[in-house]
Amino acid sequence: SQQGEEDPQALSIQEGENATMNCSYKTSINNLQWYRQNSGRGLVHLILIRSNEREKHSGRLRVTLDTSKKSSSLLITASRAADTASYFCASGGSNYKLTFGKGTLLTVNP
Amino acid sequence: SQTIHQWPATLVQPVGSPLSLECTVEGTSNPNLYWYRQAAGRGLQLLFYSVGIGQISSEVPQNLSASRPQDRQFILSSKKLLLSDSGFYLCAWSVTGAETQYFGPGTRLLVL
Repeated sequence: SQQGEEDPQALSIQEGENATMNCSYKTSINNLQWYRQNSGRGLVHLILIRSNEREKHSGRLRVTLDTSKKSSSLLITASRAADTASYFCASGGSNYKLTFGKGTLLTVNP
Repeated sequence: SQTIHQWPATLVQPVGSPLSLECTVEGTSNPNLYWYRQAAGRGLQLLFYSVGIGQISSEVPQNLSASRPQDRQFILSSKKLLLSDSGFYLCAWSVTGAETQYFGPGTRLLVL
C-alpha cells in the first residue's frame, strides 16, 4: 500500500506567493525525498532529507521532517509559473526502495 | 553524465496482444533498476526492481514480467495485455547503495 500521502491534493496560488505541501508516511524511514513531475513527463528529484535531519534547504526549497509525527513538508518560496507541476514525496527504507504518495498538483498563476 | 532512455514514448495496443517496453541507462555501471506504473492522477506503484543482471524482484502479482538481460537494460513484458494494464510506465535507476532515483521520460500505454 502507498505510504506517503500528500496534502493538499491540489493547490493554486499566485506567482510570488509561497507554496506549502505536506506529506505523511506510515512506517520508519531512512530518508524522505521530494520529486517533481511536469505533466506527462518523468519525475525529477528535488531534495532528500535523512531521518536524523530536521530541516534542509536547496535554493527556493525548504524541507522539514518530523519523525515523531511521521510527516514532512515542502515549502517553495517566491513561486514562479514554471513551478507548476505535481509534487510527490517518497519514503525510503533500508532496502533502497521508495514508496510514493499520490502527489500534490501545484498551479502557479502568472 | 548519465542518461536514461525509454521507448516507445507512446503505445496503443489491443487487449490480448503482447508487450515489450525497454529501458536503457548510459554512463553508469551496475545500477539498481526499477519499473513503476502510474495510473491517471495517482502516485507511482513499484512493479519490479533489479540489483543486477538476471536478478528481478516483483512487488505486485500481476500480468507483467521484467527481465534484465544486460547490466544497463531493463525490459517490461506481458504475454497478453489487459485493459487494466493501461497507464504511464516509468523506468528509474539509482547508484547501488544510494537512495536517489533518476527517472526516464516514461511510456504511455493505452490498451483498447
